[in-house]
Amino acid sequence: KQEVTQIPAALSVPEGENLVLNCSFTDSAIYNLQWFRQDPGKGLTSLLLIQSSQREQTSGRLNASLDKSSGRSTLYIAASQPGDSATYLCAVRLYNAGNMLTFGGGTRLMVKP
Amino acid sequence: GAGVSQTPSNKVTEKGKYVELRCDPISGHTALYWYRQSLGQGPEFLIYFQGTGAADDSGLPNDRFFAVRPEGSVSTLKIQRTERGDSAMYLCASSPPGLAGAETQYFGPGTRLLVL
Repeated sequence: KQEVTQIPAALSVPEGENLVLNCSFTDSAIYNLQWFRQDPGKGLTSLLLIQSSQREQTSGRLNASLDKSSGRSTLYIAASQPGDSATYLCAVRLYNAGNMLTFGGGTRLMVKP
Repeated sequence: GAGVSQTPSNKVTEKGKYVELRCDPISGHTALYWYRQSLGQGPEFLIYFQGTGAADDSGLPNDRFFAVRPEGSVSTLKIQRTERGDSAMYLCASSPPGLAGAETQYFGPGTRLLVL
């Protein structure tokens, strides 16, 4: 069974810092990996999707990398802002598990002004 | 354009009651998913529809949970004899037809269910 782990569970940083969120997964036979943002009490917003054949994706201040062989992905946030405060979730889709996503527990990020 | 919508946004019920949660996917999206998210945890898969049929219901926790999508658009998640442990955020997502590996799931705002 695929397990997805996110470290750290919570992170508090001052505004302007560059930061890295980590995601690891146990089954490397993934179809793709997605990073989502979730604001308190809200649904999920997709940030970046990396196909299994890709190594990284970038969108603005966000960069996500994927290393299938080691079962790891990182989300890099440059020049963090208070508006980045949210929970960040990674999710993987396996080749042999239909279209379901398996999520990590999330990292709760707080960026202090 | 309109995103995925879910109603109600909040639902409070008593133990043992029946509840229905509704999801309206993005127009033209053929796939629809239900997930359940407990406080402080990531979402867990419940069921996936492709068109009108349930392609994968392996995540439904027991036979008190059932979902339908009779016309291939709106879906209803039904929970019978609710228990306090059913309290969670129920999230719906949809995705467009296309290359399987490229599909992004678009999530709705969720329905927060509280069973007293």
